[in-house]
Amino acid sequence: AQSVTQPDIHITVSEGASLELRCNYSYGATPYLFWYVQSPGQGLQLLLKYFSGDTLVQGIKGFEAEFKRSQSSFNLRKPSVHWSDAAEYFCASGGATNKLIFGTGTLLAVQP
Amino acid sequence: DTGVSQNPRHKITKRGQNVTFRCDPISEHNRLYWYRQTLGQGPEFLTYFQNEAQLEKSRLLSDRFSAERPKGSFSTLEIQRTEQGDSAMYLCASSLRAGTGDNQPQHFGDGTRLSIL
Repeated sequence: AQSVTQPDIHITVSEGASLELRCNYSYGATPYLFWYVQSPGQGLQLLLKYFSGDTLVQGIKGFEAEFKRSQSSFNLRKPSVHWSDAAEYFCASGGATNKLIFGTGTLLAVQP
Repeated sequence: DTGVSQNPRHKITKRGQNVTFRCDPISEHNRLYWYRQTLGQGPEFLTYFQNEAQLEKSRLLSDRFSAERPKGSFSTLEIQRTEQGDSAMYLCASSLRAGTGDNQPQHFGDGTRLSIL
């Protein structure tokens, strides 16, 4: 069955430090992969997506993610975190049916 | 592009009452999805429509839940005889299905938070 795992429930980084949020997926074929961000009480905003082609994808707000088929991973990265990046981040996969399967999320805290 | 709009933003009701939520998708989007998100979890798929046709329903969608999308525009999600376990954020998303193999990303509304007393 299709599944998404985000191993880190909570991460704290210092402002200006680099960030990597982990995501592993389980799917028989090449999945469609997404990263979304959610601020408290809000809906989800799309950061970036991977459908095919170049395995390093660029998104909004300076985020990027790399698809690694051999590791079944799609980790999200940012070279320098800003205080406004504090939020919850969700990795999701979609397949032929188009419904999204989400991970349980990683809550990012940014300390000054 | 005004985004996906959901109403109401918050709903508080007593157990056993019926509630209805509305979702207005991005105007040119022909696919519309409903998800449920409980505290500390990622959203879980409930159902989706392509135009006015409801193409898939999750097993999470018990017979107390019904969703409609008349005329392929806005959608409503109704919960009858609400239970404590229905307390959650209900999220709507829409996307454009442009053709075979073209899986466009879903754009989410801000959700309706349901609290059952």
